[in-house]
Amino acid sequence: LAKTTQPISMDSYEGQEVNITCSHNNIATNDYITWYQQFPSQGPRFIIQGYKTKVTNEVASLFIPADRKSSTLSLPRVSLSDTAVYYCLVGDGGGLTGGGNKLTFGTGTQLKVEL
Amino acid sequence: NAGVTQTPKFRVLKTGQSMTLLCAQDMNHEYMYWYRQDPGMGLRLIHYSVGEGTTAKGEVPDGYNVSRLKKQNFLLGLESAAPSQTSVYFCASSYPPSGFGPQHFGDGTRLSIL
Repeated sequence: LAKTTQPISMDSYEGQEVNITCSHNNIATNDYITWYQQFPSQGPRFIIQGYKTKVTNEVASLFIPADRKSSTLSLPRVSLSDTAVYYCLVGDGGGLTGGGNKLTFGTGTQLKVEL
Repeated sequence: NAGVTQTPKFRVLKTGQSMTLLCAQDMNHEYMYWYRQDPGMGLRLIHYSVGEGTTAKGEVPDGYNVSRLKKQNFLLGLESAAPSQTSVYFCASSYPPSGFGPQHFGDGTRLSIL
């Protein structure tokens, strides 16, 4: 079971870059790393996913070192609307036979962005 | 497209009552999941399904049963509700072309058991 560890909370100001790191020392070969954003009273929303090295999309970047024991979500130029809880998820979705790794969400990082 | 729809959105039960939570997705996804979210605990996987007619246990399956009779629906049942099952329940679905695809979540069912 690939348990994840994230900082409980982070504070930032509008316009700054925010980096949130997730530790997953027991990550398995088949595991992907996925980050989600969650606002109050809503379900988590997919941000970005990666397996190794660097992945970038229109809202974030994901950095994964060669040993894959950690990953860093980078949010460029955050705004007030980025205030949310961010979750790191490590898993392989169950596998074809249903016997794959269990999906493990961390406790999340509460990001607070101020003016 | 509606995405993932959960029914009901809120429910209050008495200890010992039973109920079924319904999750429906219109994205033709193979994989579906049920999570519960408690304060300070993040999301914990209850059960999941990798296809119609198949289900598997997650991290916290005790006290819950599931069924996936149709590809688009995933039902979560509580046979005899207990106060410890008071939580917010989230359903999700995903389509993994290879490996593990991103999950699409519903907006949750808030369940209180008195």
